[in-house]
Order: sequence, then structure tokens, then C-alpha cells
Amino acid sequence: NAGVTQTPKFQVLKTGQSMTLQCAQDMNHEYMSWYRQDPGMGLRLIHYSVGAGITDQGEVPNGYNVSRSTTEDFPLRLLSAAPSQTSVYFCASSFDMPGQGPNEQFFGPGTRLTVL
Amino acid sequence: SQKIEQNSEALNIQEGKTATLTCNYTNYSPAYLQWYRQDPGRGPVFLLLIRENEKEKRKERLKVTFDTTLKQSLFHITASQPADSATYLCALGALDFGNEKLTFGTGTRLTIIP
Repeated sequence: NAGVTQTPKFQVLKTGQSMTLQCAQDMNHEYMSWYRQDPGMGLRLIHYSVGAGITDQGEVPNGYNVSRSTTEDFPLRLLSAAPSQTSVYFCASSFDMPGQGPNEQFFGPGTRLTVL
Repeated sequence: SQKIEQNSEALNIQEGKTATLTCNYTNYSPAYLQWYRQDPGRGPVFLLLIRENEKEKRKERLKVTFDTTLKQSLFHITASQPADSATYLCALGALDFGNEKLTFGTGTRLTIIP
């Protein structure tokens, strides 16, 4: 049981490049989400999904796309990287659906992204 | 506007003493509050949950209190050890226009001094 896995661990991009951050979980969780963590800002929700084929925006969705074709995978796409997207990105999953339980989040190890 | 504040960015406590971390919030009506631990270079790990109708929760050396009148949660680590050194995050779960929303504080970096 690997939990939540993320790749890559580190990435450097140039402004304007695109890339996909991968996230997978093997706990059969329906709810998955992406956060970014910046100094002094706390974890901020980018996008989330309540099941395969269903995604929605969080607090800071601009510049990011997501899709959920399977229960296990929830990739995050940066369409045209900007220096403001330099951050640490965490993927998380939860057994409970929003409004149905305590919503304990299981986090991946994170991807540290630098945009030059 | 909604706001979550954790008492200080950093807290240094002598080994063996009780560490107390604070999470204050404004303009929220949380249904529950969670505490997470985050080590450098790693993702947060869930520790404890306390619901709005609960005053106190315990787990081994950890204790959480939740005062909805004061809009505050206290997180205590008793008999602290150097291995407890980490950043601790609080997160509030609340309904936001019909959707449940989990909002994180910025964290308190705790150092236990041997």
C-alpha cells in the first residue's frame, strides 16, 4: 500500500513551458485534491475531484487544469508556467466525500517546482 | 473575510515540558477542526480531528481543545521530545455556500530543545 505518490519530486521550468504533475493513490479514495504551499500562505486548494470524471475549482485554479479519468490518478497540468507558480505542490486524497465525514486528508510527498 | 491564525511562526520548548499551539479563527462556523504534522520536505500527516460539539480530544501525548465561543483551538503535546519537532498545521472544515471546504492555517514550527 503506497498511499499517495507524486512525480516528479523536483522540477525546473522556464516561463511559458507546460508540464504535468502526476498523482496516484491506491486507497480507492473517491476524493482527490491539489494544493500549493507557499511561505506564509498556508496550503491553498487548486482543484479537486469527487470521483472519476468529476472535477471542480478550488481557491486558486487559474493557470492549472485537471482531469480524472480513473479513481487512482489525478494529474495537474500547468498550461504556460509563470514565475508566480513557483511553489511546492501537494496532492491529497480522502476517504470521505465533502460534507459526509471528517475528511482526513492523506498527502503525497510533494513536488517542488521552480519557474524561471 | 475569513481568517485562520496560528499563534506564532516558531515556538521553542524545553524537552519534557508541554508544548501548546494555538489556532484562532474569525468569520467561520467550522463543523470540525483538524491538526496535521509536517516534517521538512514532506507532506502533512493527519493527527487529530475535533468536531464543533466536542470540547476535548486526546490521543496518547496529544490533546486538542475546541472553544467555539472563543473561536480557538489549542493543541497540546505533553512530555515533549525532540522527535516532536516539526511544523503543525490546523485546518478548519466548514460549509461554504453549500460545499464543504477545508482551509489550512500557515502553521507553527515547533522545536523541542534537548
